[in-house]
Amino acid sequence: GAGVSQSPSNKVTEKGKDVELRCDPISGHTALYWYRQSLGQGLEFLIYFQGNSAPDKSGLPSDRFSAERTGGSVSTLTIQRTQQEDSAVYLCASSPSLGLQYFGAGTRLSVL
Amino acid sequence: GENVEQHPSTLSVQEGDSAVIKCTYSDSASNYFPWYKQELGKRPQLIIDIRSNVGEKKDQRIAVTLNKTAKHFSLHITETQPEDSAVYFCAVSKAGFQKLVFGTGTRLLVSP
Repeated sequence: GAGVSQSPSNKVTEKGKDVELRCDPISGHTALYWYRQSLGQGLEFLIYFQGNSAPDKSGLPSDRFSAERTGGSVSTLTIQRTQQEDSAVYLCASSPSLGLQYFGAGTRLSVL
Repeated sequence: GENVEQHPSTLSVQEGDSAVIKCTYSDSASNYFPWYKQELGKRPQLIIDIRSNVGEKKDQRIAVTLNKTAKHFSLHITETQPEDSAVYFCAVSKAGFQKLVFGTGTRLLVSP
């Protein structure tokens, strides 16, 4: 079956521009997570959504970052006024049950 | 918050040898411990996981052991093969659909 799908796979933008990254979770998965992976580093939690509960935004690095999940399915991560330090791979994961998370291939963001 | 340390950062072994990667965590409430394998440019793939009510779990050449008292868990790969070469990440989470806190990764190189 289809896995977690992310688009675009690569995004190059200029400093100060806004970007939107999209995640399509596995059908039926109730939890959705966003992580960030800087070059050669581990994964840093950003935000997660679980059903109709309020999202856990505790990992968002600044108020330039926001995310929404519409209809309990597709999610969009928005970064406003991008900075060079935002350059990273943004990974989305979804989960059908306690703990188990399946990752998408990520969006590689480059801010020039 | 939770803090996860992972060692070693790099590990080089000969084909056929065993490899062991260790992680320690700080929050005694953590109860889910997955391991992910990430090949260059690819998404993290779950290879094995363990929950706190189990001390050891094995899947073919891969095993994970957990010591809740000492708050550490380890990944064991036996009879290593060149295709095992990748970056391995440990992670921890607490009950429910909680975020994963990742270790910093171990780059494993298996030489033929």
